[in-house]
Amino acid sequence: AQKVTQAQTEISVVEKEDVTLDCVYETRDTTYYLFWYKQPPSGELVFLIRRNSFDEQNEISGRYSWNFQKSTSSFNFTITASQVVDSAVYFCALDTGGFKTIFGAGTRLFVKA
Amino acid sequence: NAGVMQNPRHLVRRRGQEARLRCSPMKGHSHVYWYRQLPEEGLKFMVYLQKENIIDESGMPKERFSAEFPKEGPSILRIQQVVRGDSAAYFCASNPGTTGGLEQFFGPGTRLTVL
Repeated sequence: AQKVTQAQTEISVVEKEDVTLDCVYETRDTTYYLFWYKQPPSGELVFLIRRNSFDEQNEISGRYSWNFQKSTSSFNFTITASQVVDSAVYFCALDTGGFKTIFGAGTRLFVKA
Repeated sequence: NAGVMQNPRHLVRRRGQEARLRCSPMKGHSHVYWYRQLPEEGLKFMVYLQKENIIDESGMPKERFSAEFPKEGPSILRIQQVVRGDSAAYFCASNPGTTGGLEQFFGPGTRLTVL
């Protein structure tokens, strides 16, 4: 069975702090894809990143970075020097190539000024 | 280049009425996905459709819920005889679907309130 676990329900940080959002996934498939989406207060989900199971290279995009570790089935997301505009719900998701995406429960991030 | 459009954005229904939610995918996208998000919860997959075909409806309740994506026009998610528990945000997403593992582009959602 496929499953995505985001154990952190809510995280609260002060602006400029670094914060890491955890994501653990389960699948028996050898080919799969992992995603992170952001849902700001306006409600519309925004795609952030996609990773396939054969590419364990970490990625950095501005203040965002992602750490993919197959050995621990984790795909963690770090925001460096957080800003108030980063306040949102962040979802990790898994697609095993069958066109159906399984979403985690989400982590609500509060960044205080 | 319009994104995924959903209407209405807000819908209020009384128990027992029907709710019809519409989704127009991005231009060039032939695959549509519907999700439900209950308050303070994550997204739950409901159904995946291509034009004129339901590919996977494993997440959709067997009764009262139906979905279609006709050859012409938007995809429709229909909820008959709504109950209070149907109150949620319903999101539609689309992608070209040419291969698995593609990111999905989401609409703004329809917030359904059942009185």
